[in-house]
Amino acid sequence: AQSVTQLGSHVSVSEGALVLLRCNYSSSVPPYLFWYVQYPNQGLQLLLKYTSAATLVKGINGFEAEFKKSETSFHLTKPSAHMSDAAEYFCAVSDHGDMRFGAGTRLTVKP
Amino acid sequence: EAQVTQNPRYLITVTGKKLTVTCSQNMNHEYMSWYRQDPGLGLRQIYYSMNVEATDKGDVPEGYKVSRKEKRNFPLILESPSPNQTSLYFCASSLNGGFPHYGYTFGSGTRLTVV
Repeated sequence: AQSVTQLGSHVSVSEGALVLLRCNYSSSVPPYLFWYVQYPNQGLQLLLKYTSAATLVKGINGFEAEFKKSETSFHLTKPSAHMSDAAEYFCAVSDHGDMRFGAGTRLTVKP
Repeated sequence: EAQVTQNPRYLITVTGKKLTVTCSQNMNHEYMSWYRQDPGLGLRQIYYSMNVEATDKGDVPEGYKVSRKEKRNFPLILESPSPNQTSLYFCASSLNGGFPHYGYTFGSGTRLTVV
């Protein structure tokens, strides 16, 4: 069965600094990979997804993620953090109908 | 507006008192699912439904029931809630569960407290 590991439950960056949130997956077949963002008191919103079309995926709000099969990774990056990026981020994997989520990474952005 | 609507947003109840959390989507999605979110554990799937009258257990189904009599509705039923079911619950839907690349649309969540 597929699974996801997010490295680091909390990440803190300064405004303007690089954001890097790590995600490694396990799947027996080529996976579909997703990043979701959850703002306080809200549901999850799809940030971006990998569906085998291109290994570098661009999402909303300036985020992007790169699929690296050899490393079984799908790390999320943003060149310059903004205060509004403070939220919880979830990596997810799906190779059949159901989706498995990581434990989440809370991103704090310091002024 | 395309959306998944959950009700209620907040609920405090007592142990053993049956409750239902409703979920409705207006996108004609075939696939619907319930998750619970607990700190440090991420989202864990409770039940899912590939289509009308087709439901199946997820990873943590104990203590929950669901039904899918209509395409748009997927209620979550707790027959006898216990304090360990205190959690944040999310309903999600997808166009077709057999094609996961569509991703999910989530509801706003229901925060349940069982005392």
